[in-house]
Amino acid sequence: QKEVEQDPGPLSVPEGAIVSLNCTYSNSAFQYFMWYRQYSRKGPELLMYTYSSGNKEDGRFTAQVDKSSKYISLFIRDSQPSDSATYLCAMNGNNRLAFGKGNQVVVIP
Amino acid sequence: NAGVTQTPKFRVLKTGQSMTLLCAQDMNHEYMYWYRQDPGMGLRLIHYSVGEGTTAKGEVPDGYNVSRLKKQNFLLGLESAAPSQTSVYFCASCLAGFHDTQYFGPGTRLTVL
Repeated sequence: QKEVEQDPGPLSVPEGAIVSLNCTYSNSAFQYFMWYRQYSRKGPELLMYTYSSGNKEDGRFTAQVDKSSKYISLFIRDSQPSDSATYLCAMNGNNRLAFGKGNQVVVIP
Repeated sequence: NAGVTQTPKFRVLKTGQSMTLLCAQDMNHEYMYWYRQDPGMGLRLIHYSVGEGTTAKGEVPDGYNVSRLKKQNFLLGLESAAPSQTSVYFCASCLAGFHDTQYFGPGTRLTVL
């Protein structure tokens, strides 16, 4: 089992839909959980950052962490064409950062 | 405030040639990282540095060398390029360590023929 599993997609949704992305992981040492957004031919940029289990909301974005299930999610409400990007989950523990492979999202106007 | 910059943006090499990729940051960050990104593989850490004069191996260090002579710069060298090193290379930096927000550069697209 890979340390971080993320379904690469791609995921196509109509404008205004809810986008749901998730990652699973196997390392119990992971404590910090992040979502990075990467536009085509650009570097990743931090979108959401959470510590341990729970929910965090920032505008149209919600990040969820369930440590008991080793599962994290990112929800995008009222999706916009500008949300079209690749979303990478990342998690930290044992002095390293492990990334998922990324999930490409396309929001169709 | 330019953030993280990378030089060059694109490069084509022949097998066996050498080159150096330059990363510069103006945020006074202690930690700097070099990643490669390949289709279906995600971001993989090559080498990193926890401060000026220090370097450490990451997940895929073979075939690469790095140096951090100045706090703001982190150089990635390929001594003898191979087609397997065709990739997009990203540099990142952060203030406080692996749990901290990493700021990425725009990437360098390298093709080795």
